[in-house]
Amino acid sequence: DIQMTQSPSSLSASVGDRVTITCRASHTISTYLNWYQQKPGKAPKLLIYAASSLQSGVPSRFSGSGSGPDFTLTITSLQPEDFATYYCQQTYTIPYTFGQGAKVEIK
Amino acid sequence: EVQLVESGGGLVKPGGSLRLSCAASGFSFSSYTMNWVRQAPGKGLEWVSSISTRSISIYYADSVKGRFTISRDNAKNSLYLQMNSLRAEDTAVYYCARVYTSSPGDYFDYWGQGTLVTVSS
Repeated sequence: DIQMTQSPSSLSASVGDRVTITCRASHTISTYLNWYQQKPGKAPKLLIYAASSLQSGVPSRFSGSGSGPDFTLTITSLQPEDFATYYCQQTYTIPYTFGQGAKVEIK
Repeated sequence: EVQLVESGGGLVKPGGSLRLSCAASGFSFSSYTMNWVRQAPGKGLEWVSSISTRSISIYYADSVKGRFTISRDNAKNSLYLQMNSLRAEDTAVYYCARVYTSSPGDYFDYWGQGTLVTVSS
């Protein structure tokens, strides 16, 4: 199975900050990498697919980059509604695996 | 509007069985691969199972293989997960998710609200 490792596991940031979350795959996955946002008690929401494509309706302050084993999710100018947990997911091969999550908290 | 609504969760004893359902609306259900994903309390997301449009390709996580069965009824726009021999570690919120198949890579573009399964004596 492909292991997905996110870092950091949690971070504290302020409104307006630039936030970067990384995700590393244990094997090459090309750009078969998606990012999801999850708020407490809610279902995950797709943000980015294919490493860098912004899902329709997602604010442009969210962006993704990377290929092969290393990927990045960037939030420019963090907004109050962005405090949540973020997960990466590989769909290169089944079993589709998720990272352990990165919780973005208010500083 | 795309909607996925899970049901069938509840409290069950270890070794028991439960059948989850996911009712789909607002899209052509028969055209999409569907998946189940679960999340144990306070934990991360875990992919559980996948079923293709005509049920030809079916896959399971090793943790549920031989105990869970995924199925679908395209005429009823419904996805199912039959869970047998349940264990405490199966306790989780179970989500159904629609898979958008693209190049490169699939992604889960719509999710249900989840249904909680608790396995406890």
